[in-house]
This record gives sequence, structure tokens and C-alpha cells, in this order.
Amino acid sequence: DADVTQTPRNRITKTGKRIMLECSQTKGHDRMYWYRQDPGLGLRLIYYSFDVKDINKGEISDGYSVSRQAQAKFSLSLESAIPNQTALYFCATSDSRGGEGGLLQQYFGPGTRLTVT
Amino acid sequence: QKEVEQNSGPLSVPEGAIASLNCTYSDRVSQSFFWYRQYSGKSPELIMSIYSNGDKEDGRFTAQLNKASQYVSLLIRDSQPSDSATYLCALARGSTLGRLYFGRGTQLTVWP
Repeated sequence: DADVTQTPRNRITKTGKRIMLECSQTKGHDRMYWYRQDPGLGLRLIYYSFDVKDINKGEISDGYSVSRQAQAKFSLSLESAIPNQTALYFCATSDSRGGEGGLLQQYFGPGTRLTVT
Repeated sequence: QKEVEQNSGPLSVPEGAIASLNCTYSDRVSQSFFWYRQYSGKSPELIMSIYSNGDKEDGRFTAQLNKASQYVSLLIRDSQPSDSATYLCALARGSTLGRLYFGRGTQLTVWP
């Protein structure tokens, strides 16, 4: 039973379609994040949410939108998918209560592989 | 300049050797530093975190932080083939604590 789950795990869609990726967590964390990963580019932050009413753009938010339906759920939408949004998408969570020394460890979901044709 | 730069790799070492992975960063207010390991097709997992200058050891892993020179490194002693993965350096800045900035990753291969 994974603490951070993502659905779907794989998705193939066509250009122009609207698609939603969902993330749920049972860790009780207040902060949630969406990243995309492209080969050789590391992880790039799309959106992040520090609580249900706080949503912020990351470095590559154009073409994406998010919804934080509850503390445990954070969805990412591609309003009109395009081929260069083909990537591996990760959801992550963290706990603002932090830990030793203010370390803020992020826990990642298993990822969604999205292909836009 | 990207927030976090990693030596591009790929890095290849024989089993039993020490693998050295390096990361530099541009923002002096960065407070916390993390090393994540990512196996091919899997999600990143945290293996080390460090926030004070000096060395931090955990088993075969040692993280080193030098804030004056703005670099952080990860040493893997007695490297094993199971260490073959991509290693991602990440940092948290004081002004936006909780948001991580990731490097592009260094691919490590440990050959038997």
C-alpha cells in the first residue's frame, strides 16, 4: 500500500485532448508538488501547494493547471495536450513540520508516463 | 545559470571502488541539500540529506557540504552494481523553504 499514489500510471492521448493526472496521499502531509521529468533534464517543478488554499506556479506551469481538492488530493490537468508534454510526471509530498534541522524530505509517487501523439 | 549543476556523467566505476558525485549551486541562501537516487523508470528516493558544513556519513554513503565554495558531493564507498542509478542533487532555499530545486542528475554505472 503505497503512501503516494498516482493514476493513471500510463496514458496515451492525442494532441488537443484535455487530460487529468491524479495524485492521492495517505501520509497526512500538507504540501504537494507536481514535477515533470524529461531525459537529461532532471526534475522540473510544475506547480506546488503548501495547503489546500495555497497553490503556486513552478518553473514550467504554462499549459498546465492544478486543483487541490483536499489535503490528500492534488490533480494536474493539461488543458490541451501537445506532443512536447510527453514526459514522466511525478507527484510528491512533504510535511511542513519538517524534521531535524528543517530538512524537508519529499516523498514521490510512482509516476505517470504520458505520451501525447 | 541553473540553480543546481551536476557533473554531467555518465560515471562508470568498477565494483568496490569509490564513486564521487558532485554538485554546485548558485544561491548562497540555500539551506538544505539532498541526494536522491532514481533507478530507471522508478521514482526518486531520498538517500542522504545534509545542512551543515562538513561530512555526514550513513553506511556506505557520505555527503559533503562546503557552503563557502557552494558545492555538495556524495561519495559511495565499496560501490555495488545495485548502486547503478541516476543520482539527483537537490536543494532547498531559505526564502522558499519546502520547494526543492533539482539538478539534471548524474548517471552512475558500477560494473562487476
